[in-house]
Amino acid sequence: GQNIDQPTEMTATEGAIVQINCTYQTSGFNGLFWYQQHAGEAPTFLSYNVLDGLEEKGRFSSFLSRSKGYSYLLLKELQMKDSASYLCAVRDSGGSYIPTFGRGTSLIVHP
Amino acid sequence: SQTIHQWPATLVQPVGSPLSLECTVEGTSNPNLYWYRQAAGRGLQLLFYSVGIGQISSEVPQNLSASRPQDRQFILSSKKLLLSDSGFYLCAWSVLGQGAAGELFFGEGSRLTVL
Repeated sequence: GQNIDQPTEMTATEGAIVQINCTYQTSGFNGLFWYQQHAGEAPTFLSYNVLDGLEEKGRFSSFLSRSKGYSYLLLKELQMKDSASYLCAVRDSGGSYIPTFGRGTSLIVHP
Repeated sequence: SQTIHQWPATLVQPVGSPLSLECTVEGTSNPNLYWYRQAAGRGLQLLFYSVGIGQISSEVPQNLSASRPQDRQFILSSKKLLLSDSGFYLCAWSVLGQGAAGELFFGEGSRLTVL
């Protein structure tokens, strides 16, 4: 199984940059996902990393270091609508291809 | 394009009553289907997943059950609800090779309150 750890809550200012960290322990690694979940809504897919390095997608970027069991989601030019919970999920290589989710980081963006 | 719908969106049920949540997927074939539960302030807990019709794997032993009577239909049921069953239930689908990396696509969610 996996053990996934991410901060419970973070706050940031509109227009700023924020980095949300995720550490994991898994017996076999087959990809890491980031999802965004607004209050009362379903999660939506943001990014996927399976190789080391940075994946950039507009204002959002995600980084992975497999040797360190570490990922981060970087949000630039923060907007009020970015206030949401950000979920880190790790998929193992055991064959079921089912991701395990962390508890999520609640990001509050204030003016 | 693929779509997923689940219903009802909101449900208030007394303890001991039955439950049925339904989820359907359109626009894809032979998807993997999942039921997750998210309690207040908690992460997503996988309840059941299915790789095909009639094939159900349970991750957490409890008073809930799941069925997949058709390829794109997934049903979550209970004969007698407990207070601890309250939460936000999410259906999801995935197909390796679709999307960026077989990521999950979630339904709108069903909020269950057991009183």
